[in-house]
Amino acid sequence: DAKTTQPTSMDCAEGRAANLPCNHSTISGNEYVYWYRQIHSQGPQYIIHGLKNNETNEMASLIITEDRKSSTLILPHATLRDTAVYYCIVRVANNNAGNMLTFGGGTRLMVKP
Amino acid sequence: GAGVSQSPSNKVTEKGKDVELRCDPISGHTALYWYRQSLGQGLEFLIYFQGNSAPDKSGLPSDRFSAERTGGSVSTLTIQRTQQEDSAVYLCASSSWQVQETQYFGPGTRLLVL
Repeated sequence: DAKTTQPTSMDCAEGRAANLPCNHSTISGNEYVYWYRQIHSQGPQYIIHGLKNNETNEMASLIITEDRKSSTLILPHATLRDTAVYYCIVRVANNNAGNMLTFGGGTRLMVKP
Repeated sequence: GAGVSQSPSNKVTEKGKDVELRCDPISGHTALYWYRQSLGQGLEFLIYFQGNSAPDKSGLPSDRFSAERTGGSVSTLTIQRTQQEDSAVYLCASSSWQVQETQYFGPGTRLLVL
């Protein structure tokens, strides 16, 4: 799987949009961009994933650049409960050999009142 | 729908005892993964089940660790003769081809070996 680079930490004011960047310049054509987060003392939580088109769900939006070398996760109205470590991962989907997840350092997002 | 569930949520045991950790995957998910996460660390892959295929055990750290998946659903991770270094959060995830094998995690079992 391609390597990703994320800022170590970010702050966001409650109610504002949180924009979390991720660089994945070596991404391959068949690799998806995934985002997970891990709130303290909880299991990782899937947020969103995409291949090349922008995606939106009830949790977040994912914006992928046209060259697919970077992406941004957007939490439109951050709340205190969004304080967590956010992980950006690129991986091949539907690989019958299994796709064990490895999390890098991630971005520690602190949402402040 | 129901997510991945794990039990117990917390387990405290004495060194040398055996423990069993249980995972109930999302209904219909054919793939099941076990990971562990030590305090402040990343995910460590342990074992992977896919349908009726032989499991990928390449991540098991020693022969004290074993896992089974009965009927292609529930899985049990067993640690024999526990050691203090086994203390960690044990996470289970399941996935399906129908959502690009997106892995959904359970809440984990926090194991403390005294």
